[in-house]
Amino acid sequence: EEQLLESGGDLVQPGGSLRLSCAASGFTFSTYAMSWVRQAPGKGLEWVSTISGSGRSTYYADSVKGRFTISRDNSKNTLYLQMNSLRAEDTAVYYCAKNRGIQLWSYYFDYWGQGTLVTVSS
Amino acid sequence: QSVLTQPPSVSGAPGQRVTISCTGSSSNIGAGYDVHWYQQLPGTAPKVLIYGNSNRPSGVPDRFSGSKSGTSASLAITGLQAEDEADYYCQSYDSSLSGWVFGGGTKLTVL
Repeated sequence: EEQLLESGGDLVQPGGSLRLSCAASGFTFSTYAMSWVRQAPGKGLEWVSTISGSGRSTYYADSVKGRFTISRDNSKNTLYLQMNSLRAEDTAVYYCAKNRGIQLWSYYFDYWGQGTLVTVSS
Repeated sequence: QSVLTQPPSVSGAPGQRVTISCTGSSSNIGAGYDVHWYQQLPGTAPKVLIYGNSNRPSGVPDRFSGSKSGTSASLAITGLQAEDEADYYCQSYDSSLSGWVFGGGTKLTVL
């Protein structure tokens, strides 16, 4: 059974940094692109970042470009999101999601973790 | 303001049929990119309901169906049940943004 388990969410001050992790199991991790999707309290879903199976290609939403870095360690079946220069508007539940689809433009998210809460506040 | 536009809420009585629209533009749905739909039950992570415009993953009841035409897509739910009460999101790819986009979400209330 495919499983994703996020960790690392916390309360952090504006301008601070945080690293999220997502441990994957139940599938061949290196074969699939992976993503982070976030959801601010009471709001909708927002795609944050995607990384290819090899880790060579990365993609970011404009709202986080230059501040967040997605990476993966295929030997540990783990996905990461390094978040720097955090802002109040980054407050959200961050979901790790497995990508599915043949072409980049056809990607969808077929499995999701339970999410980890990041709160940016002084 | 979401790139894909959904109605904030829809409602229906048990047994009825409801549809949720998702309107995009020439840089996403209108460009031919696939539309996918997710269901998010209260307090849980989203779950894929429809992928590739009209395909259901195994385990999703055939009461759920998807379609796409032009710059819009729709999710139809027939035989409405109390357990269908949830938030529903459409998702596609946008070439202008070079990334994946979601609709703002639609809250379905079963009366």
